[in-house]
Amino acid sequence: AQRVTQPEKLLSVFKGAPVELKCNYSYSGSPELFWYVQYSRQRLQLLLRHISRESIKGFTADLNKGETSFHLKKPFAQEEDSAMYYCALSPLGGGTSYGKLTFGQGTILTVHP
Amino acid sequence: EAQVTQNPRYLITVTGKKLTVTCSQNMNHEYMSWYRQDPGLGLRQIYYSMNVEVTDKGDVPEGYKVSRKEKRNFPLILESPSPNQTSLYFCASSPRQPSYYGYTFGSGTRLTVV
Repeated sequence: AQRVTQPEKLLSVFKGAPVELKCNYSYSGSPELFWYVQYSRQRLQLLLRHISRESIKGFTADLNKGETSFHLKKPFAQEEDSAMYYCALSPLGGGTSYGKLTFGQGTILTVHP
Repeated sequence: EAQVTQNPRYLITVTGKKLTVTCSQNMNHEYMSWYRQDPGLGLRQIYYSMNVEVTDKGDVPEGYKVSRKEKRNFPLILESPSPNQTSLYFCASSPRQPSYYGYTFGSGTRLTVV
């Protein structure tokens, strides 16, 4: 079984400060990891995915297989980054689990002016 | 516009009265899925479908049914809703396996069962 843990329910930083949202996972096979964002009153949106190594809105995430982590980072937070952030895991080559995408509990990020 | 459309956006019903939440996507995606979102629990996957007539259980399938008779539609059926199914529900779709593409989400359906 796969599991995603986001240890912080709430995270507050000031504008311009670095921000790191933590994500830890457990899965016996090869995982693919994602970060999703949900702004107030908007639908859930894909922020970035590990497989494409992209950086969106200044956010990056590194997969650390030794620590089974996929933390989301941004060097300088902006007020518009305030949102709910979800880490998610999907099994690679998952056979009958191809359609599974498991989410963590989410972290609410608030960036103060 | 490419999108996932759910209806209704809001629904209040009584315990035991069968209901259906519709979901449609216009992107010719193969995969579709339903999630529920609850405070402190994040999003939990209810069911997913890999193509027409192919569905599988997610993590919390009890009390729900789905069908995939057409590629674009994936309705969620609650045969006998109970108050613990009060939640925010999201439909999602993916062009191929979500391990590469992730899912694209609809706007959500807020269901209240009294």
